[in-house]
Order: sequence, then C-alpha cells, then structure tokens
Amino acid sequence: NAGVMQNPRHLVRRRGQEARLRCSPMKGHSHVYWYRQLPEEGLKFMVYLQKENIIDESGMPKERFSAEFPKEGPSILRIQQVVRGDSAAYFCASSPRTGGSYNEQFFGPGTRLTVL
Amino acid sequence: DQQVKQNSPSLSVQEGRISILNCDYTNSMFDYFLWYKKYPAEGPTFLISISSIKDKNEDGRFTVFLNKSAKHLSLHIVPSQPGDSAVYFCAANPREAGTALIFGKGTTLSVSS
Repeated sequence: NAGVMQNPRHLVRRRGQEARLRCSPMKGHSHVYWYRQLPEEGLKFMVYLQKENIIDESGMPKERFSAEFPKEGPSILRIQQVVRGDSAAYFCASSPRTGGSYNEQFFGPGTRLTVL
Repeated sequence: DQQVKQNSPSLSVQEGRISILNCDYTNSMFDYFLWYKKYPAEGPTFLISISSIKDKNEDGRFTVFLNKSAKHLSLHIVPSQPGDSAVYFCAANPREAGTALIFGKGTTLSVSS
C-alpha cells in the first residue's frame, strides 16, 4: 500500500492524558499537512511541515498541541493534557516536492480520537 | 468567518440523473479549487480540480464549473451512480502548491437506485 498511512485508526484517552498520532506520507512525498475535523464540520488546517521544519502552524492551537516531522520516521501530532473538546478526526495529507504547479494533497484514513 | 461555503448539507438524486453540488467562496485571491469525496471512516479522496484561469474542467462523469465573477463553483456528476453516495467537500487554495487547503463543511450526496 503506497498511500498515506496513519495510526492508530482509533484512539481513546481520558482527560489529562497525552495523545500521539502518527502519519507516514506517501513514498517520495516530503510535505505533510495535519487537519482536524470536528463533528458536522469541514476539515480545518492545523499545521504544514517539511522534513525537520515546521512551515506553517497558523491553524494549531497555541497550547498543548505540537507537531514534528523528523528526518527519519513518521510525522507526529502530539496533544498534551487532552480535553473532551479535542475529540475529533485528525487527518494527515502529503504532497510531493513543489514544482511550480499545484500538487494535490493525498489524505490518509484519519485517526479518530475520543476523549472520555 | 467561512471563506468556503457549501450551503446545502445534503442532496438526494436518482440513479442516472445529474447531481449538482454547489460551493461559494469569499476570497478573490484563491487561485485553485478542488473537490474531494469522502466515505465514512475514510480519508478524503481527490476528485477533480480547476485553476482560476479556467472556467471548466471535465474528467469522465465529473465536471467542475467556475464562475469567478460570482465567486461560485459547482460539481456536476452525470450520470449519477449509487456508488457516488458520499460526502463531497469543496476546497480552495490561496497560493501555489505547499499551502493549506480551506474546506467547506461538505454536502452529503445520496444516489438512490
């Protein structure tokens, strides 16, 4: 399967715990985006990363949320001290190196986070 | 304030007929528009896109129309099939590749046989 991979697919946490969501982009893709979808809403951009760099984190909450995309391994979205309002579907997307024309983003299956 | 709006939460169509999904936007700086299709418990799948320098793009049963003066785009599916039943998201990109997509809330299409 050469698509974007996310794990876990479902994650249950109690309030105050930490959640770690992982994303492996498609082979050859160096750009990773994280989006969040709340119930009855569209996808909302959170953060855009390239290898070892955060390019745009304008959609990321200022506290408790962080993201990384190390040189080796998957991208990680980390939520500390989760609250019930963090319950949502978190989608990762990847795109290949930019080349002047638009590159569509390919989405993974998502991680559904439930905070009890 | 929503920059990309899909005002119809749902649409029901009979198999074989045309489905028309609508999308309005407010930012005239958007230069690329995309439609994604999403099944339950899956990620969005890219369907079709259009650049702001065009007014129409066609791919098989799917055609996207762009009316820049009205800041409106639509997705036409002809003929509709039961397998088309899904949530359709309109998305816009304000600059060249590498920046975030701005999504509408989606329209749920139900195609009955």
